[in-house]
Amino acid sequence: DADVTQTPRNRITKTGKRIMLECSQTKGHDRMYWYRQDPGLGLQLIYYSFDVKDINKGEISDGYSVSRQAQAKFSLSLESAIPNQTALYFCATSRGLAGYTGELFFGEGSRLTVL
Amino acid sequence: AQTVTQSQPEMSVQEAETVTLSCTYDTSESDYYLFWYKQPPSRQMILVIRQEAYKQQNATENRFSVNFQKAAKSFSLKISDSQLGDAAMYFCAYRSGGADGLTFGKGTHLIIQP
Repeated sequence: DADVTQTPRNRITKTGKRIMLECSQTKGHDRMYWYRQDPGLGLQLIYYSFDVKDINKGEISDGYSVSRQAQAKFSLSLESAIPNQTALYFCATSRGLAGYTGELFFGEGSRLTVL
Repeated sequence: AQTVTQSQPEMSVQEAETVTLSCTYDTSESDYYLFWYKQPPSRQMILVIRQEAYKQQNATENRFSVNFQKAAKSFSLKISDSQLGDAAMYFCAYRSGGADGLTFGKGTHLIIQP
Protein backbone atom coordinates (compact mmCIF):
# COMPACT_ATOMS: atom_id res chain seq x y z
CA ASP A 1 0.00 0.00 0.00
CA ALA A 2 1.12 3.54 -0.75
CA ASP A 3 2.49 5.59 2.15
CA VAL A 4 0.71 8.70 0.87
CA THR A 5 -2.76 8.01 -0.52
CA GLN A 6 -4.87 10.44 -2.50
CA THR A 7 -8.54 10.12 -3.37
CA PRO A 8 -9.99 10.37 -5.90
CA ARG A 9 -7.32 9.55 -8.48
CA ASN A 10 -9.36 11.10 -11.24
CA ARG A 11 -12.39 13.37 -11.17
CA ILE A 12 -14.43 15.22 -13.73
CA THR A 13 -16.74 17.93 -12.48
CA LYS A 14 -18.63 20.99 -13.65
CA THR A 15 -18.02 24.66 -13.11
CA GLY A 16 -19.40 25.86 -9.78
CA LYS A 17 -19.32 22.49 -8.04
CA ARG A 18 -17.60 21.98 -4.70
CA ILE A 19 -14.80 19.45 -4.83
CA MET A 20 -12.72 17.89 -2.07
CA LEU A 21 -9.48 16.03 -2.63
CA GLU A 22 -8.34 13.91 0.26
CA CYS A 23 -4.92 12.82 1.38
CA SER A 24 -3.90 10.40 4.08
CA GLN A 25 -0.44 9.21 5.06
CA THR A 26 1.05 6.39 7.08
CA LYS A 27 4.57 7.79 7.19
CA GLY A 28 4.09 9.51 10.54
CA HIS A 29 5.28 12.82 9.13
CA ASP A 30 4.23 16.11 10.67
CA ARG A 31 4.37 18.22 7.54
CA MET A 32 1.90 17.93 4.69
CA TYR A 33 1.55 19.85 1.43
CA TRP A 34 -0.73 20.33 -1.54
CA TYR A 35 0.79 21.08 -4.93
CA ARG A 36 -0.71 21.74 -8.31
CA GLN A 37 0.94 20.66 -11.56
CA ASP A 38 0.15 22.25 -14.91
CA PRO A 39 1.88 21.27 -18.14
CA GLY A 40 5.00 23.35 -18.68
CA LEU A 41 4.79 25.02 -15.27
CA GLY A 42 6.20 22.45 -12.91
CA LEU A 43 4.64 22.12 -9.46
CA GLN A 44 3.32 25.05 -7.50
CA LEU A 45 2.60 25.07 -3.77
CA ILE A 46 -1.03 25.69 -2.78
CA TYR A 47 -1.06 25.14 1.00
CA TYR A 48 1.06 23.47 3.62
CA SER A 49 0.67 22.43 7.23
CA PHE A 50 3.28 21.74 9.88
CA ASP A 51 0.77 20.23 12.32
CA VAL A 52 -2.95 20.10 12.97
CA LYS A 53 -3.04 23.67 14.29
CA ASP A 54 -0.76 25.17 11.66
CA ILE A 55 -2.00 25.97 8.14
CA ASN A 56 -0.12 28.20 5.73
CA LYS A 57 -0.80 29.59 2.29
CA GLY A 58 1.51 28.77 -0.56
CA GLU A 59 2.11 30.72 -3.73
CA ILE A 60 -1.25 29.96 -5.41
CA SER A 61 -3.85 29.59 -2.61
CA ASP A 62 -6.63 31.72 -4.13
CA GLY A 63 -9.71 29.63 -4.85
CA TYR A 64 -8.61 26.81 -2.54
CA SER A 65 -9.01 25.93 1.12
CA VAL A 66 -7.61 23.12 3.24
CA SER A 67 -8.37 21.20 6.38
CA ARG A 68 -5.92 19.24 8.52
CA GLN A 69 -8.28 16.84 10.25
CA ALA A 70 -5.54 14.84 11.95
CA GLN A 71 -1.80 14.41 11.73
CA ALA A 72 -2.34 11.86 8.97
CA LYS A 73 -5.08 13.63 6.97
CA PHE A 74 -4.97 16.78 4.89
CA SER A 75 -7.81 17.73 2.52
CA LEU A 76 -7.94 20.28 -0.27
CA SER A 77 -11.23 21.90 -1.24
CA LEU A 78 -12.34 23.89 -4.23
CA GLU A 79 -15.45 25.70 -3.05
CA SER A 80 -16.63 26.61 -6.53
CA ALA A 81 -14.58 24.92 -9.21
CA ILE A 82 -13.63 26.79 -12.38
CA PRO A 83 -12.09 25.45 -15.61
CA ASN A 84 -8.63 26.93 -14.97
CA GLN A 85 -8.40 24.75 -11.88
CA THR A 86 -8.14 21.76 -14.19
CA ALA A 87 -4.78 20.25 -13.21
CA LEU A 88 -2.97 17.39 -11.55
CA TYR A 89 -2.91 17.80 -7.76
CA PHE A 90 -0.32 16.24 -5.51
CA CYS A 91 -0.28 15.73 -1.78
CA ALA A 92 3.14 15.37 -0.19
CA THR A 93 4.66 14.89 3.24
CA SER A 94 7.98 15.54 4.87
CA ARG A 95 9.68 14.92 8.15
CA GLY A 96 9.79 17.62 10.79
CA LEU A 97 12.98 18.88 12.37
CA ALA A 98 13.77 15.46 13.82
CA GLY A 99 15.36 13.46 11.05
CA TYR A 100 14.96 16.29 8.58
CA THR A 101 16.26 15.41 5.13
CA GLY A 102 14.49 18.05 3.08
CA GLU A 103 12.78 15.76 0.61
CA LEU A 104 9.08 15.46 0.00
CA PHE A 105 7.24 12.15 -0.34
CA PHE A 106 4.44 12.34 -2.87
CA GLY A 107 1.11 10.68 -3.35
CA GLU A 108 0.12 9.36 -6.77
CA GLY A 109 -1.75 12.50 -7.76
CA SER A 110 -5.38 13.43 -8.34
CA ARG A 111 -6.28 14.53 -11.84
CA LEU A 112 -9.12 17.04 -11.76
CA THR A 113 -10.99 18.21 -14.83
CA VAL A 114 -13.45 21.09 -14.53
CA LEU A 115 -15.81 21.44 -17.48
CA ALA B 1 11.96 34.33 -3.53
CA GLN B 2 13.98 31.44 -4.78
CA THR B 3 13.71 30.44 -8.41
CA VAL B 4 14.74 27.28 -10.20
CA THR B 5 15.43 27.29 -13.93
CA GLN B 6 15.60 24.30 -16.24
CA SER B 7 16.60 25.62 -19.63
CA GLN B 8 16.01 22.42 -21.59
CA PRO B 9 12.30 21.69 -22.12
CA GLU B 10 13.18 18.46 -23.91
CA MET B 11 16.25 16.27 -24.34
CA SER B 12 16.79 13.15 -26.41
CA VAL B 13 19.51 10.51 -26.00
CA GLN B 14 20.31 7.13 -27.45
CA GLU B 15 19.94 4.14 -25.20
CA ALA B 16 23.18 3.33 -23.35
CA GLU B 17 24.59 6.83 -23.83
CA THR B 18 25.09 9.56 -21.25
CA VAL B 19 22.91 12.65 -20.92
CA THR B 20 23.16 15.73 -18.70
CA LEU B 21 20.16 17.78 -17.61
CA SER B 22 20.79 21.36 -16.55
CA CYS B 23 19.43 23.26 -13.58
CA THR B 24 20.28 26.65 -12.12
CA TYR B 25 18.79 28.30 -9.07
CA ASP B 26 18.77 31.65 -7.42
CA THR B 27 19.10 32.06 -3.66
CA SER B 28 20.78 34.24 -1.09
CA GLU B 29 20.81 31.50 1.52
CA SER B 30 23.70 29.27 2.48
CA ASP B 31 21.75 26.37 3.99
CA TYR B 32 19.60 24.52 1.49
CA TYR B 33 18.88 21.26 -0.29
CA LEU B 34 18.64 20.42 -3.96
CA PHE B 35 16.78 17.53 -5.53
CA TRP B 36 16.07 15.84 -8.81
CA TYR B 37 12.68 14.16 -9.12
CA LYS B 38 11.57 11.87 -11.92
CA GLN B 39 7.97 11.73 -13.15
CA PRO B 40 7.32 8.80 -15.50
CA PRO B 41 4.05 8.47 -17.44
CA SER B 42 2.53 6.86 -14.34
CA ARG B 43 2.75 10.46 -12.95
CA GLN B 44 4.26 9.37 -9.64
CA MET B 45 6.95 11.78 -8.38
CA ILE B 46 10.06 9.75 -7.57
CA LEU B 47 13.13 11.14 -5.84
CA VAL B 48 16.23 10.47 -7.92
CA ILE B 49 18.93 12.21 -5.94
CA ARG B 50 19.46 14.70 -3.12
CA GLN B 51 22.30 17.15 -2.42
CA GLU B 52 22.87 19.13 0.77
CA ALA B 53 24.47 22.49 0.04
CA TYR B 54 27.02 22.16 2.84
CA LYS B 55 28.45 19.01 1.28
CA GLN B 56 31.14 19.64 -1.30
CA GLN B 57 31.07 16.10 -2.60
CA ASN B 58 28.68 15.50 -5.46
CA ALA B 59 25.88 13.04 -4.73
CA THR B 60 25.72 9.78 -6.65
CA GLU B 61 23.04 7.11 -6.86
CA ASN B 62 24.01 4.25 -9.16
CA ARG B 63 23.81 5.60 -12.74
CA PHE B 64 22.70 9.04 -11.56
CA SER B 65 25.12 11.70 -10.41
CA VAL B 66 25.10 15.43 -9.99
CA ASN B 67 27.52 18.23 -10.70
CA PHE B 68 26.90 20.72 -7.89
CA GLN B 69 28.58 24.08 -8.43
CA LYS B 70 27.59 26.16 -5.41
CA ALA B 71 29.23 29.40 -6.45
CA ALA B 72 27.65 29.20 -9.89
CA LYS B 73 24.33 28.04 -8.40
CA SER B 74 24.23 25.15 -10.81
CA PHE B 75 22.98 21.63 -10.17
CA SER B 76 23.07 19.36 -13.22
CA LEU B 77 22.03 15.72 -13.37
CA LYS B 78 24.06 13.18 -15.31
CA ILE B 79 22.47 9.90 -16.32
CA SER B 80 24.95 7.29 -17.46
CA ASP B 81 24.13 4.22 -19.56
CA SER B 82 20.64 5.53 -20.31
CA GLN B 83 17.87 2.97 -20.24
CA LEU B 84 14.39 3.00 -21.74
CA GLY B 85 12.96 3.18 -18.23
CA ASP B 86 14.69 6.53 -17.70
CA ALA B 87 12.25 8.19 -20.09
CA ALA B 88 10.29 10.69 -18.00
CA MET B 89 9.91 14.30 -16.96
CA TYR B 90 12.73 15.37 -14.66
CA PHE B 91 12.25 18.18 -12.19
CA CYS B 92 14.94 20.06 -10.36
CA ALA B 93 13.84 21.36 -6.95
CA TYR B 94 15.20 23.60 -4.20
CA ARG B 95 14.41 23.76 -0.52
CA SER B 96 15.92 26.14 2.02
CA GLY B 97 16.93 24.61 5.32
CA GLY B 98 13.90 24.36 7.59
CA ALA B 99 11.47 25.91 5.15
CA ASP B 100 8.19 25.24 3.77
CA GLY B 101 8.06 23.03 0.73
CA LEU B 102 10.07 22.75 -2.45
CA THR B 103 10.41 25.21 -5.32
CA PHE B 104 10.38 23.35 -8.63
CA GLY B 105 11.71 24.07 -12.07
CA LYS B 106 9.43 23.63 -15.05
CA GLY B 107 10.88 20.27 -15.96
CA THR B 108 12.82 18.59 -18.75
CA HIS B 109 11.20 15.89 -20.83
CA LEU B 110 13.79 13.16 -21.42
CA ILE B 111 13.32 10.87 -24.42
CA ILE B 112 15.33 7.69 -24.74
CA GLN B 113 15.84 6.50 -28.32
CA PRO B 114 16.20 2.70 -28.64
